[in-house]
Amino acid sequence: EIVMTQSPATLSVSPGERATLSCRASQSVSNNLVWYQQKPGQAPRLLIYGASTRATGSPARFSGSGSGTEFTLTISSLQSEDFAVYYCQQYNDWPRTFGQGTKVEIK
Amino acid sequence: QVQLVQSGAEVKKPGASVKISCKASGYTFTTYKIHWVRQAPGQGLEWMGWIDAGDGNTKYSQKLQGRVTFTNDTTARAAYMELSSLRSEDTAVYYCVRDESDWGQGTLVTVSS
Repeated sequence: EIVMTQSPATLSVSPGERATLSCRASQSVSNNLVWYQQKPGQAPRLLIYGASTRATGSPARFSGSGSGTEFTLTISSLQSEDFAVYYCQQYNDWPRTFGQGTKVEIK
Repeated sequence: QVQLVQSGAEVKKPGASVKISCKASGYTFTTYKIHWVRQAPGQGLEWMGWIDAGDGNTKYSQKLQGRVTFTNDTTARAAYMELSSLRSEDTAVYYCVRDESDWGQGTLVTVSS
C-alpha cells in the first residue's frame, strides 16, 4: 500500500503568518490527492482535491501544490479558525491511505 | 446541499456486531460511492472501504476483510456498515464519506466489557 508521510507533526504559527505543510507519498499518486482540515469533535472537511483545486467554500488563503510524490498545503495568512489538524489522503490506488496528520497550533 | 446523517452512538461488548446507517440527501444517491473511514480516539484516519451505491459493488481494506460488510438501500437512500467480532481496538468514530468530499457527522462505537 502507498504510505503517506506528513511533516512536521506539529507546526507552531502565529496568527497572520504563513504555514507550509508537507505530504510525501511512497510512490507516485499523480495528482490524486486531497487535503482535509479537522477540528476537535468534528468530521474532517475537504479543503483541496486534485492536489491543487480548492473545494467549494474553501477560503482562498488555502492553496495546494505538487504532483507525483511531493505535495504542499500552504495557508497564506493564518486565521484563528485555521488552528486544527490537517490530513492528506491519496485516492490514486487501493487502499486509500492517509497521512498521520499535521497539527497547526498557536505559537 | 449534500448531507450525510449517521445513526447514533453505540456501546457493544467484545464479540458482538454493530451496524451503522448513513442516510444521504441532496444528490443522486446512486451515482456515487460511499466510503467508510474510522478514527480511534486521539488517532488518525483509517480507510475501511467503499460501496458503489449504484450497483452495490464493494471494496474492503485487507485489515478488516471478513469482519466488515457494506450494504445499501437505494429506496431509503442509505448505506450501512456492519462490523462483527468486535474487539476493544474497534472503539472509534466511524464516518461515511461521499467520494472524498462530503462527510457524515460520525458515529462513536465503544467496545467494552
